[in-house]
Amino acid sequence: GAVVSQHPSRVICKSGTSVKIECRSLDFQATTMFWYRQFPKQSLMLMATSNEGSKATYEQGVEKDKFLINHASLTLSTLTVTSAHPEDSSFYICSARGAGGLNEQYFGPGTRLTVT
Amino acid sequence: GDSVTQMEGPVTLSEEAFLTINCTYTATGYPSLFWYVQYPGEGLQLLLKATKADDKGSNKGFEATYRKETTSFHLEKGSVQVSDSAVYFCALKIGHRDDKIIFGKGTRLHILP
Repeated sequence: GAVVSQHPSRVICKSGTSVKIECRSLDFQATTMFWYRQFPKQSLMLMATSNEGSKATYEQGVEKDKFLINHASLTLSTLTVTSAHPEDSSFYICSARGAGGLNEQYFGPGTRLTVT
Repeated sequence: GDSVTQMEGPVTLSEEAFLTINCTYTATGYPSLFWYVQYPGEGLQLLLKATKADDKGSNKGFEATYRKETTSFHLEKGSVQVSDSAVYFCALKIGHRDDKIIFGKGTRLHILP
């Protein structure tokens, strides 16, 4: 149990376009979802936290207009990178936290974004 | 600020060797400490955790002891297997209600048969 999926696993897009990444909790309801970013040989850095039906809370230095997060249901959150640039190329990982016995964060496998 | 430092990899060992991956932390509060593992193509999984000083977390033969005096949480395993090849992340979280997890950079482990 407690499986989180991400789609796509890899995406290549052209500079200036937007790309959407989906994060789904497959077998539990995620009251909170988190989006992380990981640069090569660097730590996972928390970008934002979202609660179902509420606006996301962004970490300092993360542009909310560039990284749009939607958490419209208890099993789905999306991250849209708008007007992507090569410096947005990174590994994006989501995690989901349920309620009660599923109070830990469960992580997705990540999405590799390459902007050309 | 709060941070986690872990040894850089990759670490390459032969099967049945003893493993230590060092991890130290800096925290303003009283953190909980974690080790996560990421197998190829999969998401991070919680391997073990400790919530207070001198606690020992253990799972799948791995152990780590919360050492407040040295601000460390080193990961150890007495006899590694090829299936332990993965990336290991040390992490901390401050407080009960704060969901923000701070990760180290990760250590890639290769186990040779």
